[in-house]
Amino acid sequence: ETGVTQSPTHLIKTRGQQVTLRCSSQSGHNTVSWYQQALGQGPQFIFQYYREEENGRGNFPPRFSGLQFPNYSSELNVNALELDDSALYLCASRKGTREKLFFGSGTQLSVL
Amino acid sequence: DQQVKQNSPSLSVQEGRISILNCDYTNSMFDYFLWYKKYPAEGPTFLISISSIKDKNEDGRFTVFLNKSAKHLSLHIVPSQPGDSAVYFCATLGGGADGLTFGKGTHLIIQP
Repeated sequence: ETGVTQSPTHLIKTRGQQVTLRCSSQSGHNTVSWYQQALGQGPQFIFQYYREEENGRGNFPPRFSGLQFPNYSSELNVNALELDDSALYLCASRKGTREKLFFGSGTQLSVL
Repeated sequence: DQQVKQNSPSLSVQEGRISILNCDYTNSMFDYFLWYKKYPAEGPTFLISISSIKDKNEDGRFTVFLNKSAKHLSLHIVPSQPGDSAVYFCATLGGGADGLTFGKGTHLIIQP
């Protein structure tokens, strides 16, 4: 039990639609990051938020955006969905050490 | 261009024997090297890490070795137990990236 919960667990969308994924972190975990894991691949870093500001981003286009709230919850928004966006989306939070992240179980997104 | 490579998609080891999982990297600027373990339908969980200034770190049955000249790290699990059956991801921190950089993972199967 990592204390990081994600919703929904599964989601099906159509190409061109928009989607919002949600994450609730442990109390006190002021850094949250999002990862995309495609089938057969390792998780790939999307972006990171610290105290409600984005302070790091991977190689993802601007249609991937996020929000972090004061109550340790966060959102990942993806606009203009493409078929290649089909993947497991993982939320991870941490308080102190950079290397020890606490991951949620993920949201499996299917884009048809 | 993959910066972190796990060349063995799967590994089968008998219970009680040593499991050795390998990982190669290309960026000599990484600060930390990590191993995460992932069970089906769960998010990755932190297992062990090693700083770039060390060459070995132990935690119970798990030992990570770092060979900087070869840009290679390995995870040793001894003795292997059935509960160790999972996908193991090698990951790195630093090297100009804001988040963790993961390999594709190795599926470890412990046979009774």
